[in-house]
Amino acid sequence: EAGVTQFPSHSVIEKGQTVTLRCDPISGHDNLYWYRRVMGKEIKFLLHFVKESKQDESGMPNNRFLAERTGGTYSTLKVQPAELEDSGVYFCASSLGGSGANVLTFGAGSRLTVL
Amino acid sequence: DQQVKQNSPSLSVQEGRISILNCDYTNSMFDYFLWYKKYPAEGPTFLISISSIKDKNEDGRFTVFLNKSAKHLSLHIVPSQPGDSAVYFCAASGWRRDQFYFGTGTSLTVIP
Repeated sequence: EAGVTQFPSHSVIEKGQTVTLRCDPISGHDNLYWYRRVMGKEIKFLLHFVKESKQDESGMPNNRFLAERTGGTYSTLKVQPAELEDSGVYFCASSLGGSGANVLTFGAGSRLTVL
Repeated sequence: DQQVKQNSPSLSVQEGRISILNCDYTNSMFDYFLWYKKYPAEGPTFLISISSIKDKNEDGRFTVFLNKSAKHLSLHIVPSQPGDSAVYFCAASGWRRDQFYFGTGTSLTVIP
C-alpha cells in the first residue's frame, strides 16, 4: 500500500511569493490533516478535512493560508504571499478515522524556506 | 498554550540500557495518547498508543505508562538499541480522536 505522499520535498522561495504544497493521502482515508513544525518546536495542527469538507481549520495561522481537498482525494496547501515566519516543515497525515483507535500516518513533509 | 509538553529536548543512553522519555499534558479531556518516532528527513511514524482506560501498554521493547492523576505519560524502551536513535513525539487527543496535539519532541541518542 502506498503511503502518504507529499510534494515538493523542499521549496525555497522569496518573501512575497506563492507556494503550493500537495498531499496525496492513503487511498480510502477520509481524514486528512495538515501540520507544521517550525525548527525545535512542536508539531502544530493546522487543519483537518473529512473527505472534501473542512472539519476544523482552527490552526490555520491567517488568511494567507488556503487549503483545499478536491473530491476528497488529494489536498493542496497554498501560502500567498509567503512571509519569513512561514518557514518550516509542513506535514500531511491521513487516517481512516472513527472514534476508535485513530492513528495518523504521516508523509515525509515539505520543507518550506522563505528568504 | 501548549497542551502537550516534552521538557527534555534530548536524551543519551548506552546501548542495552533503558530509555525513559517523558510527556506531560494539561488538558484533562485528553483520553488517548500516542508516541511517534521520527528519523531525519522522514515523517513521524506511529509507535505505540494508550487509552485512558489503561495505565500501561506494551509492544515488544516499548512500554507506555499513563498516570492520569498526574497528567503524565512515559515511554520506556528496553533494551535500547542504536536504531532507536530518533526524535520521539508524544501526542494526545480527546474522545473524538479527530485532533491531535503534539509535543516538541525528545531527541534520543543510543550510544553503541
